[in-house]
Amino acid sequence: ETGVTQTPRHLVMGMTNKKSLKCEQHLGHNAMYWYKQSAKKPLELMFVYNFKEQTENNSVPSRFSPECPNSSHLFLHLHTLQPEDSALYLCASSQDGNRVYGYTFGSGTRLTVV
Amino acid sequence: GENVEQHPSTLSVQEGDSAVIKCTYSDSASNYFPWYKQELGKRPQLIIDIRSNVGEKKDQRIAVTLNKTAKHFSLHITETQPEDSAVYFCADVSPGGGADGLTFGKGTHLIIQP
Repeated sequence: ETGVTQTPRHLVMGMTNKKSLKCEQHLGHNAMYWYKQSAKKPLELMFVYNFKEQTENNSVPSRFSPECPNSSHLFLHLHTLQPEDSALYLCASSQDGNRVYGYTFGSGTRLTVV
Repeated sequence: GENVEQHPSTLSVQEGDSAVIKCTYSDSASNYFPWYKQELGKRPQLIIDIRSNVGEKKDQRIAVTLNKTAKHFSLHITETQPEDSAVYFCADVSPGGGADGLTFGKGTHLIIQP
């Protein structure tokens, strides 16, 4: 493990379901990120949290709702998703200050919306 | 960074030959350029990086070169092996460059032919 743990590894959900993705890091980092990786747009940044504060929302649909209760945990709440939302969702974290140093990815959650 | 272009999208080389992947960036203030390798079904992993005050960095069979004037940097893999088959992503970042930290290229699928 890299120090960034994502659960679940795989998730299949219907369009009317509500589910949550979880990310946890034990690296002492203060910035955490959600990425969507699909064939059409590899490594598409969704959300950024720095010191638990959301600092970036790249025009992500409201059916994706992030939550960062502390610097070690990050959630992505999902509801009424569409089939095109099927993708690999990657969490990453990085150090405070120069946030990109120590940038580390989790193994991802493979999401399938049916 | 602002925008990172990566080429080629797919590269097929014979085992033992060299592979070169190129990226160009647009933000002249970019000062850090990492390369990530992502094997099928796995998370992206940092393999090498270079900072703007260095022109070249080497780690065994992998090297990265940076041309700040032309705003491009390249990944060089020599004596390629089957385990080098993966998708490779370049990225850049500029100081204080916004909350998104790293800006990724679209990836290169490297195929090592036996």
